[in-house]
Amino acid sequence: DAGVTQSPTHLIKTRGQQVTLRCSPKSGHDTVSWYQQALGQGPQFIFQYYEEEERQRGNFPDRFSGHQFPNYSSELNVNALLLGDSALYLCASSWGGPARTNQPQHFGDGTRLSIL
Amino acid sequence: KQEVTQIPAALSVPEGENLVLNCSFTDSAIYNLQWFRQDPGKGLTSLLLIQSSQREQTSGRLNASLDKSSGRSTLYIAASQPGDSATYLCAVRPNTGGFKTIFGAGTRLFVKA
Repeated sequence: DAGVTQSPTHLIKTRGQQVTLRCSPKSGHDTVSWYQQALGQGPQFIFQYYEEEERQRGNFPDRFSGHQFPNYSSELNVNALLLGDSALYLCASSWGGPARTNQPQHFGDGTRLSIL
Repeated sequence: KQEVTQIPAALSVPEGENLVLNCSFTDSAIYNLQWFRQDPGKGLTSLLLIQSSQREQTSGRLNASLDKSSGRSTLYIAASQPGDSATYLCAVRPNTGGFKTIFGAGTRLFVKA
């Protein structure tokens, strides 16, 4: 039973560039959430996708955008990269959408993004 | 605004010791609270999920309690082992303002052999 998979594992970009991160949810899951984790801090919620729509968004600028595909996989896009975007980006999946509040979230190993 | 605090930020204990990690949150309006483990450079592994109507959950050597009225949760680890060394994070899911999960900054645990 495949868990949450993310690609790539590491990425190095320069300021001003654009990046796309990818996530495949755990088998049977249809809801994907993205988080940003800076070094030494807890993850911060970016947004959640369910039924190919953004359902909830955290306090992140419009430079952060996403997409969910019919097979439930998801992408996170970040434009005009800043040094402060350097972080571990985590994808979490669950089942049943945002209304299923009793469902645990399962996390991938993340993508380590470094901005030079 | 919901805030989650974890104390202590770091903890070092000898192998075999029983220990308690603390998590506090400012707003009791939550659906659930989840404890995670994170190894260096890795993602999060779910340990225990406590629904708002529950008082505690147990899995093996781990026991988590929830006191929603006081805004507190504890994670009890029995007979600690070096393999327990990791960062432990708690997260709450508020039942107001949407579905996003709010994390604490974590407690970094080191168990000495």
